[in-house]
Amino acid sequence: AQKVTQAQTEISVVEKEDVTLDCVYETRDTTYYLFWYKQPPSGELVFLIRRNSFDEQNEISGRYSWNFQKSTSSFNFTITASQVVDSAVYFCALGNEKLTFGTGTRLTIIP
Amino acid sequence: DSGVTQTPKHLITATGQRVTLRCSPRSGDLSVYWYQQSLDQGLQFLIQYYNGEERAKGNILERFSAQQFPDLHSELNLSSLELGDSALYFCASNHRGTSTDTQYFGPGTRLTVL
Repeated sequence: AQKVTQAQTEISVVEKEDVTLDCVYETRDTTYYLFWYKQPPSGELVFLIRRNSFDEQNEISGRYSWNFQKSTSSFNFTITASQVVDSAVYFCALGNEKLTFGTGTRLTIIP
Repeated sequence: DSGVTQTPKHLITATGQRVTLRCSPRSGDLSVYWYQQSLDQGLQFLIQYYNGEERAKGNILERFSAQQFPDLHSELNLSSLELGDSALYFCASNHRGTSTDTQYFGPGTRLTVL
C-alpha cells in the first residue's frame, strides 16, 4: 500500500517569511514519481513539479524550491519570501500504479 | 490554464436527481481521470479512461458511471443523488494514461445537492 502524509494541516506566516511544507511518502516501489499541486481559493488544481525517484537533485524555480530525500522518504517544498498570492492549499502526491494524494496543507500568508 | 475544460462550473440539484458532468482533455491527451474532492474525504480517485476504454477504477459508487467518447471527451453521470455527493468534481488528463506522468486538472465542477 502507498501513502502520502502531509502532517501540517494549516500554516500561517507573515508575508516575506520563508515557509516549508512537509511531505512524507510510503511505497514499496523503487520507481515512482512525486508531484506537488497548488489549489488557490479559486479552486483549480495547478501542477507545480514532477520528480522521479532516481533524481535526488534539489530543484529551484524562482521563489520555489523542492528538497527530495529518498533516505527519509520526504519531498519537502519551500517558498522563499512568501507573498499573499501564495495563499492556497498545497497537495503532495505519489505516482506509480496510481496517483495518491496527501490531505493537503492550507497555507495562509498574512500581509 | 491547463487546457482541460469542464462544464458546468456549478451545478445545484435536489436529492434523487441525476446529473452529467462533462470534460474535454488537453489537446493530444488520450486519458481522462475523474476525482471527487469533498471536505471529509479529500481528493478521491474515481475512474480512468484511456482512448475510450476504462483503464482503472477507484472509489466510484455504483450510482456513478462514466464514459469516454471517440472524440476523447468524457462524461461522468451521477444518479440518485444524495446530500453526501455534494463535492468538487475534477477531471484530469494526460497523454499516456500512466500515473507516473503529470495529470493536468480542469477547473472542476462544484456540485451542490440540496
